[in-house]
Amino acid sequence: NAGVTQTPKFQVLKTGQSMTLQCAQDMNHEYMSWYRQDPGMGLRLIHYSVGAGITDQGEVPNGYNVSRSTTEDFPLRLLSAAPSQTSVYFCASSYATGTTVGEQYFGPGTRLTVT
Amino acid sequence: DAKTTQPTSMDCAEGRAANLPCNHSTISGNEYVYWYRQIHSQGPQYIIHGLKNNETNEMASLIITEDRKSSTLILPHATLRDTAVYYCIVLKAAGNKLTFGGGTRVLVKP
Repeated sequence: NAGVTQTPKFQVLKTGQSMTLQCAQDMNHEYMSWYRQDPGMGLRLIHYSVGAGITDQGEVPNGYNVSRSTTEDFPLRLLSAAPSQTSVYFCASSYATGTTVGEQYFGPGTRLTVT
Repeated sequence: DAKTTQPTSMDCAEGRAANLPCNHSTISGNEYVYWYRQIHSQGPQYIIHGLKNNETNEMASLIITEDRKSSTLILPHATLRDTAVYYCIVLKAAGNKLTFGGGTRVLVKP
């Protein structure tokens, strides 16, 4: 199993540009989520999904869109990049039964810089 | 979900046990205690979780007080590779949002 994979590993954007961060998992997990981590800070939840076709907002959803058309993929779209979105973005997945949402597998992260 | 309080940082000697405390005094009956760690620049890694009984796995042990208002994560024989930020998180049984606080920065010294 590859686990949770994220592409790209690094990205530099100019203010106003849009892009999609890719996240895929091969563990047949129902639950997937996106977090951002600013330098020296903890992780903050952006969006999450409990299954294909179902998404919901986390703590900091503004400026980001998600969709979940398949179980495997959960892309994160930045609509119009701003310097405040400079961060490391982590995708995670888990089963969605009982307490297993707490046992999440994280990807290696995408380091995004917006100039 | 209940709030957690952890020390900002702690040092520990290689080969010794590392005891990481977490306070969650407002925890309710259906909330679990989870521990994650994040080694520099990597994604967080799940360690262990528990409800009220002590738990042990290949990575660590989790001791939860009888009143459930605090817990301790024990790394039995710390190695240099255990240097990381450790997060204590409380999550409802049916919850679906992990909330990461500041965590404890653990430095294992030779």
